[in-house]
Amino acid sequence: DADVTQTPRNRITKTGKRIMLECSQTKGHDRMYWYRQDPGLGLRLIYYSFDVKDINKGEISDGYSVSRQAQAKFSLSLESAIPNQTALYFCATSDTGTGEAEQYFGPGTRLTVT
Amino acid sequence: AQSVTQPDIHITVSEGASLELRCNYSYGATPYLFWYVQSPGQGLQLLLKYFSGDTLVQGIKGFEAEFKRSQSSFNLRKPSVHWSDAAEYFCAVGPLMNRDDKIIFGKGTRLHILP
Repeated sequence: DADVTQTPRNRITKTGKRIMLECSQTKGHDRMYWYRQDPGLGLRLIYYSFDVKDINKGEISDGYSVSRQAQAKFSLSLESAIPNQTALYFCATSDTGTGEAEQYFGPGTRLTVT
Repeated sequence: AQSVTQPDIHITVSEGASLELRCNYSYGATPYLFWYVQSPGQGLQLLLKYFSGDTLVQGIKGFEAEFKRSQSSFNLRKPSVHWSDAAEYFCAVGPLMNRDDKIIFGKGTRLHILP
């Protein structure tokens, strides 16, 4: 079983709809991240969480919100989806205990907003 | 501000040829450096990382990278590429686990392999 899972893997939604992307991990890591990937722009950080009570905005948080329901779960919500939020979304985790910044990625969610 | 530059958006090499993907970084302290690979339809997989010590690091799938502090570079190399190496490659730089623990990714280099 994959260590970092994302649901759904693909989603098509209409402008103005609220949607939620979910991420779960079995690695026991304390830190979790949400990125979006757009062609030619690489990965951009949306939100990150160092533990359940510590959530921080990344470089492109406008239009997004997150919830860290448990150490293993980190959800990303689009309150009112718009077409320029069409992208590939990745969840990632890392472990403070190792002292290293290496991140582990989920398989991604491809979101299309029409 | 810290940044990562991958000068080549696309690179095409023939199968069996050698490969070098360039990465330059800007960082105010000793950086921690990573190379990730993203195969089509997949998430990102760590190829290798450099934290300290020997500046030539070995990774998975036959890749290696060399940290050159004087050139602020961390180029990825492979002596002989295989068709399965066709993918997008991301260089990343980040601090050790401190309060401002964020990894900065380059914009990626897409590798094409000619048969």
